Amino acid sequence: QQQVRQSSQSLTVWEGETAILNCSYENSAFDYFPWYQQFPGEGPALLIAIRSVSDKKEDGRFTIFFNKREKNLSLHIKDSQPGDSATYFCAASGASSGQKLVFGQGTILKVYL
Amino acid sequence: NAGVIQTPRHKVTGKGQEATLWCEPISGHSAVFWYRQTIVQGLEFLTYFRNQAPIDDSGMPKERFSAQMPNQSHSTLKIQSTQPQDSAVYLCASSSSGNTEVFFGKGTRLTVV
Repeated sequence: QQQVRQSSQSLTVWEGETAILNCSYENSAFDYFPWYQQFPGEGPALLIAIRSVSDKKEDGRFTIFFNKREKNLSLHIKDSQPGDSATYFCAASGASSGQKLVFGQGTILKVYL
Repeated sequence: NAGVIQTPRHKVTGKGQEATLWCEPISGHSAVFWYRQTIVQGLEFLTYFRNQAPIDDSGMPKERFSAQMPNQSHSTLKIQSTQPQDSAVYLCASSSSGNTEVFFGKGTRLTVV
Protein backbone atom coordinates (compact mmCIF):
# COMPACT_ATOMS: atom_id res chain seq x y z
CA GLN A 1 0.00 0.00 0.00
CA GLN A 2 1.07 3.58 -0.59
CA GLN A 3 1.90 4.85 2.89
CA VAL A 4 2.91 8.31 1.66
CA ARG A 5 1.02 9.79 -1.24
CA GLN A 6 1.69 12.90 -3.27
CA SER A 7 -1.42 14.17 -4.97
CA SER A 8 0.18 15.51 -8.13
CA GLN A 9 2.63 13.79 -10.43
CA SER A 10 3.51 17.14 -11.95
CA LEU A 11 2.88 20.83 -11.36
CA THR A 12 3.58 23.85 -13.54
CA VAL A 13 3.73 27.42 -12.27
CA TRP A 14 4.97 30.74 -13.61
CA GLU A 15 7.97 32.49 -12.17
CA GLY A 16 7.00 34.49 -9.10
CA GLU A 17 3.96 32.35 -8.24
CA THR A 18 3.62 30.17 -5.16
CA ALA A 19 3.89 26.46 -5.91
CA ILE A 20 1.91 24.20 -3.57
CA LEU A 21 2.80 20.52 -3.36
CA ASN A 22 0.53 18.25 -1.38
CA CYS A 23 1.25 15.06 0.53
CA SER A 24 -0.78 12.72 2.72
CA TYR A 25 0.15 9.72 4.83
CA GLU A 26 -1.52 6.73 6.43
CA ASN A 27 0.59 5.70 9.38
CA SER A 28 -0.26 7.65 12.54
CA ALA A 29 3.08 6.62 14.01
CA PHE A 30 4.97 8.82 11.53
CA ASP A 31 6.33 11.88 13.33
CA TYR A 32 9.02 13.29 11.06
CA PHE A 33 8.32 14.60 7.57
CA PRO A 34 11.16 15.82 5.35
CA TRP A 35 10.84 17.15 1.83
CA TYR A 36 13.62 16.33 -0.60
CA GLN A 37 14.50 18.11 -3.82
CA GLN A 38 16.08 16.13 -6.65
CA PHE A 39 17.64 17.37 -9.87
CA PRO A 40 18.36 15.01 -12.79
CA GLY A 41 21.50 12.97 -12.22
CA GLU A 42 21.70 13.93 -8.57
CA GLY A 43 20.63 12.30 -5.32
CA PRO A 44 17.73 13.70 -3.29
CA ALA A 45 18.76 16.71 -1.20
CA LEU A 46 17.05 17.55 2.08
CA LEU A 47 15.13 20.78 1.60
CA ILE A 48 13.08 21.30 4.78
CA ALA A 49 11.52 19.07 7.41
CA ILE A 50 8.85 19.22 10.10
CA ARG A 51 8.00 17.19 13.16
CA SER A 52 4.44 16.28 14.02
CA VAL A 53 4.43 18.49 17.13
CA SER A 54 4.49 21.55 14.85
CA ASP A 55 1.97 22.77 12.32
CA LYS A 56 4.25 25.04 10.36
CA LYS A 57 7.92 25.24 9.46
CA GLU A 58 9.42 28.03 7.42
CA ASP A 59 12.84 28.35 5.84
CA GLY A 60 13.25 31.23 3.44
CA ARG A 61 10.91 30.75 0.49
CA PHE A 62 9.94 27.25 1.63
CA THR A 63 7.15 26.55 4.13
CA ILE A 64 5.62 23.31 5.31
CA PHE A 65 2.04 23.35 6.59
CA PHE A 66 1.17 20.24 8.60
CA ASN A 67 -2.24 18.93 9.67
CA LYS A 68 -1.90 16.00 12.04
CA ARG A 69 -5.61 15.38 12.36
CA GLU A 70 -6.08 15.13 8.61
CA LYS A 71 -2.74 13.36 8.09
CA ASN A 72 -1.63 15.70 5.38
CA LEU A 73 0.98 18.32 4.73
CA SER A 74 1.94 20.70 2.00
CA LEU A 75 5.10 22.38 0.80
CA HIS A 76 4.70 25.97 -0.34
CA ILE A 77 7.40 27.48 -2.49
CA LYS A 78 6.97 31.23 -2.54
CA ASP A 79 8.20 33.36 -5.43
CA SER A 80 9.04 30.31 -7.53
CA GLN A 81 12.14 30.54 -9.70
CA PRO A 82 13.13 28.53 -12.79
CA GLY A 83 15.94 27.07 -10.67
CA ASP A 84 13.29 25.47 -8.45
CA SER A 85 12.31 23.19 -11.33
CA ALA A 86 13.01 19.74 -9.94
CA THR A 87 11.30 16.67 -8.51
CA TYR A 88 10.09 17.04 -4.94
CA PHE A 89 9.62 14.06 -2.66
CA CYS A 90 7.60 14.01 0.52
CA ALA A 91 8.85 11.44 3.03
CA ALA A 92 7.98 10.22 6.48
CA SER A 93 9.48 8.25 9.31
CA GLY A 94 8.60 7.32 12.86
CA ALA A 95 10.20 6.05 16.03
CA SER A 96 9.02 2.54 15.28
CA SER A 97 10.89 2.45 11.98
CA GLY A 98 14.08 4.07 13.19
CA GLN A 99 15.29 6.58 10.65
CA LYS A 100 13.98 4.57 7.71
CA LEU A 101 12.20 6.96 5.36
CA VAL A 102 9.09 6.11 3.36
CA PHE A 103 8.82 8.25 0.23
CA GLY A 104 5.96 9.48 -1.88
CA GLN A 105 6.13 9.07 -5.64
CA GLY A 106 7.37 12.60 -6.21
CA THR A 107 6.01 15.72 -7.87
CA ILE A 108 7.80 17.16 -10.89
CA LEU A 109 7.72 20.95 -10.60
CA LYS A 110 8.29 23.12 -13.64
CA VAL A 111 8.65 26.85 -13.24
CA TYR A 112 8.28 28.84 -16.44
CA LEU A 113 9.58 32.33 -17.14
CA ASN B 1 32.57 17.70 3.90
CA ALA B 2 32.38 15.78 0.66
CA GLY B 3 29.00 14.33 1.46
CA VAL B 4 28.07 10.72 0.85
CA ILE B 5 30.31 9.29 -1.85
CA GLN B 6 29.12 6.52 -4.13
CA THR B 7 31.22 4.68 -6.67
CA PRO B 8 30.98 3.99 -9.48
CA ARG B 9 28.48 6.56 -10.73
CA HIS B 10 27.53 4.33 -13.63
CA LYS B 11 27.86 0.60 -14.06
CA VAL B 12 26.86 -1.63 -16.93
CA THR B 13 26.76 -5.37 -16.39
CA GLY B 14 25.74 -8.27 -18.54
CA LYS B 15 22.82 -10.39 -17.45
CA GLY B 16 24.02 -12.97 -14.95
CA GLN B 17 27.10 -11.04 -13.86
CA GLU B 18 27.77 -9.72 -10.37
CA ALA B 19 27.67 -6.02 -9.47
CA THR B 20 29.20 -4.44 -6.38
CA LEU B 21 28.29 -0.90 -5.44
CA TRP B 22 30.30 1.14 -2.95
CA CYS B 23 29.32 3.80 -0.47
CA GLU B 24 31.37 6.02 1.80
CA PRO B 25 29.10 7.71 4.37
CA ILE B 26 29.70 11.15 5.79
CA SER B 27 32.47 10.94 8.37
CA GLY B 28 31.08 10.47 11.85
CA HIS B 29 27.67 9.26 10.67
CA SER B 30 26.60 6.05 12.34
CA ALA B 31 23.62 5.10 10.18
CA VAL B 32 23.89 4.02 6.54
CA PHE B 33 20.93 3.37 4.27
CA TRP B 34 20.51 1.88 0.82
CA TYR B 35 17.60 2.81 -1.44
CA ARG B 36 16.71 1.93 -5.02
CA GLN B 37 15.09 4.40 -7.39
CA THR B 38 13.17 3.55 -10.55
CA ILE B 39 10.61 5.44 -12.58
CA VAL B 40 7.93 2.85 -11.85
CA GLN B 41 8.55 2.10 -8.17
CA GLY B 42 10.02 5.41 -7.07
CA LEU B 43 12.32 5.44 -4.05
CA GLU B 44 12.33 2.08 -2.29
CA PHE B 45 14.08 1.30 0.97
CA LEU B 46 16.41 -1.67 0.82
CA THR B 47 18.39 -1.92 4.04
CA TYR B 48 20.14 -0.03 6.79
CA PHE B 49 22.99 -0.29 9.26
CA ARG B 50 23.62 1.45 12.52
CA ASN B 51 27.12 1.39 13.97
CA GLN B 52 27.95 -1.18 11.26
CA ALA B 53 25.30 -3.62 12.51
CA PRO B 54 22.44 -4.57 10.17
CA ILE B 55 19.21 -3.17 11.61
CA ASP B 56 16.55 -3.60 8.96
CA ASP B 57 16.82 -5.40 5.63
CA SER B 58 13.10 -5.67 5.02
CA GLY B 59 13.37 -4.10 1.57
CA MET B 60 16.09 -6.36 0.25
CA PRO B 61 15.11 -8.95 -2.33
CA LYS B 62 15.72 -12.24 -0.55
CA GLU B 63 17.82 -13.73 -3.28
CA ARG B 64 20.84 -12.28 -5.03
CA PHE B 65 21.07 -9.05 -2.98
CA SER B 66 23.36 -8.58 0.02
CA ALA B 67 24.82 -5.62 1.86
CA GLN B 68 27.80 -5.32 4.13
CA MET B 69 29.35 -2.68 6.31
CA PRO B 70 32.80 -3.98 7.26
CA ASN B 71 33.89 -0.69 8.82
CA GLN B 72 32.41 2.70 9.64
CA SER B 73 33.79 4.30 6.50
CA HIS B 74 32.23 2.16 3.83
CA SER B 75 29.34 -0.07 2.88
CA THR B 76 28.79 -2.27 -0.15
CA LEU B 77 25.71 -3.54 -1.92
CA LYS B 78 26.27 -6.68 -3.93
CA ILE B 79 23.90 -8.05 -6.53
CA GLN B 80 24.62 -11.53 -7.80
CA SER B 81 23.44 -12.85 -11.14
CA THR B 82 22.08 -9.45 -12.18
CA GLN B 83 18.84 -9.33 -14.14
CA PRO B 84 17.44 -6.56 -16.37
CA GLN B 85 14.86 -5.72 -13.71
CA ASP B 86 17.72 -4.80 -11.34
CA SER B 87 18.47 -1.79 -13.55
CA ALA B 88 17.93 1.26 -11.35
CA VAL B 89 19.70 4.04 -9.52
CA TYR B 90 20.99 2.75 -6.21
CA LEU B 91 21.24 5.44 -3.57
CA CYS B 92 23.24 5.36 -0.37
CA ALA B 93 22.47 7.73 2.49
CA SER B 94 23.79 8.39 5.97
CA SER B 95 22.81 10.16 9.15
CA SER B 96 24.33 10.81 12.53
CA SER B 97 23.22 9.15 15.73
CA GLY B 98 19.98 10.56 17.09
CA ASN B 99 19.63 12.96 14.18
CA THR B 100 16.83 12.29 11.78
CA GLU B 101 18.38 14.25 8.91
CA VAL B 102 19.35 11.78 6.22
CA PHE B 103 21.80 12.81 3.51
CA PHE B 104 21.96 11.06 0.16
CA GLY B 105 24.78 10.41 -2.26
CA LYS B 106 24.46 11.01 -5.99
CA GLY B 107 23.71 7.36 -6.64
CA THR B 108 25.03 4.60 -8.86
CA ARG B 109 23.10 4.02 -12.07
CA LEU B 110 23.15 0.28 -12.73
CA THR B 111 22.21 -0.92 -16.19
CA VAL B 112 21.89 -4.65 -16.82
CA VAL B 113 22.03 -5.56 -20.51
